[in-house]
Amino acid sequence: GQQVMQIPQYQHVQEGEDFTTYCNSSTTLSNIQWYKQRPGGHPVFLIQLVKSGEVKKQKRLTFQFGEAKKNSSLHITATQTTDVGTYFCAGPLTGGGNKLTFGTGTQLKVEL
Amino acid sequence: DAEITQSPRHKITETGRQVTLACHQTWNHNNMFWYRQDLGHGLRLIHYSYGVQDTNKGEVSDGYSVSRSNTEDLPLTLESAASSQTSVYFCASSATGQGLALYEQYFGPGTRLTVT
Repeated sequence: GQQVMQIPQYQHVQEGEDFTTYCNSSTTLSNIQWYKQRPGGHPVFLIQLVKSGEVKKQKRLTFQFGEAKKNSSLHITATQTTDVGTYFCAGPLTGGGNKLTFGTGTQLKVEL
Repeated sequence: DAEITQSPRHKITETGRQVTLACHQTWNHNNMFWYRQDLGHGLRLIHYSYGVQDTNKGEVSDGYSVSRSNTEDLPLTLESAASSQTSVYFCASSATGQGLALYEQYFGPGTRLTVT
């Protein structure tokens, strides 16, 4: 079945270091979304990418959608303690409609 | 402000009991979703609905049911709770996307369910 995998599963960084999480799908995606979940919280939407090769930036966060639309990445420059949380990518589930399949997530911890 | 709420926030129940988790949204969204979150599995879709009287099974629907009698509510029922259903449950809603893009999903605060 359709799978969306993320690596790494966990990442510990020192504050100020960069961080990247990678998302890989077993199928071509029409679009990909990214969500952030703070510890004890609920997922919150960050961004959606639709076009092949698309790059979008939100302050220190850079999101990329692969040329083949089967992979994506999220890069955080100069991490801060406010970046702590789990980052999920999500793509449309096979069969159409508005349902999503979520990646396994990357948990980011930032140490001072 | 529009919001999506879940109740209860925490629930402890015994094996074999029927349990219903409530989800209520005031976004006026047609689409509503139920997920469960377990360590190592991310978020897995249980059931979803695209409108009143519409319900569909997701990836992990066995042992769960939903009903949609109005736009605002999608209650999730565990017919006979099992220890394997101990998890954190999230409800979400979204508007309907067009073309290649989808609308973002708005998540509720979650319900932590423990089945003993």
